[in-house]
Amino acid sequence: GEDVEQSLFLSVREGDSSVINCTYTDSSSTYLYWYKQEPGAGLQLLTYIFSNMDMKQDQRLTVLLNKKDKHLSLRIADTQTGDSAIYFCAERMDSSYKLIFGSGTRLLVRP
Amino acid sequence: DTGVSQNPRHKITKRGQNVTFRCDPISEHNRLYWYRQTLGQGPEFLTYFQNEAQLEKSRLLSDRFSAERPKGSFSTLEIQRTEQGDSAMYLCASSSGDRGGHADTQYFGPGTRLTVL
Repeated sequence: GEDVEQSLFLSVREGDSSVINCTYTDSSSTYLYWYKQEPGAGLQLLTYIFSNMDMKQDQRLTVLLNKKDKHLSLRIADTQTGDSAIYFCAERMDSSYKLIFGSGTRLLVRP
Repeated sequence: DTGVSQNPRHKITKRGQNVTFRCDPISEHNRLYWYRQTLGQGPEFLTYFQNEAQLEKSRLLSDRFSAERPKGSFSTLEIQRTEQGDSAMYLCASSSGDRGGHADTQYFGPGTRLTVL
């Protein structure tokens, strides 16, 4: 079935690392994405990972994929107050172009 | 090109009225998607177009909803006889299409927030 789950809330101090976790159920997922949404705005693509990779790094962002456990994580190094937002993971299966999103993790960065 | 644009940004309507939203994708993107997002949830897929052809529709898209992309460029989403449960953010996204393993990433517009009174 299609289901993506995320924890609801994460609070970190400015300068610390943040780790946002996501689990998905469909093993046929081809690509997994991370999007950021600020209040009242659309979704901003942060990064994505192909299912045959286990890690991808892009500046302050590191994505880890454990395909066996169907677990995806996004690590933000040196978290800043501007990183406060809702983070969504999404999966896309090989058989479809639609994205299936989790409910989002609200990240709060405390000064 | 500055990205996906959507109009209007906000729409308030009374129950039973019809509403229409417009999405202009990134130039030369041949795929266009509509999603709906309710408060506290992630976006849910509604439908998608490849050029002017509507190729997939969610069961969320009841017969009161219709989407078109007549010339393969902009798209409209119409909701007839609106209900309070239709209140949500309607998001449009576009992508360029697969290029041999390319992620075909979807780029989202700012959304249209619909409030049905």
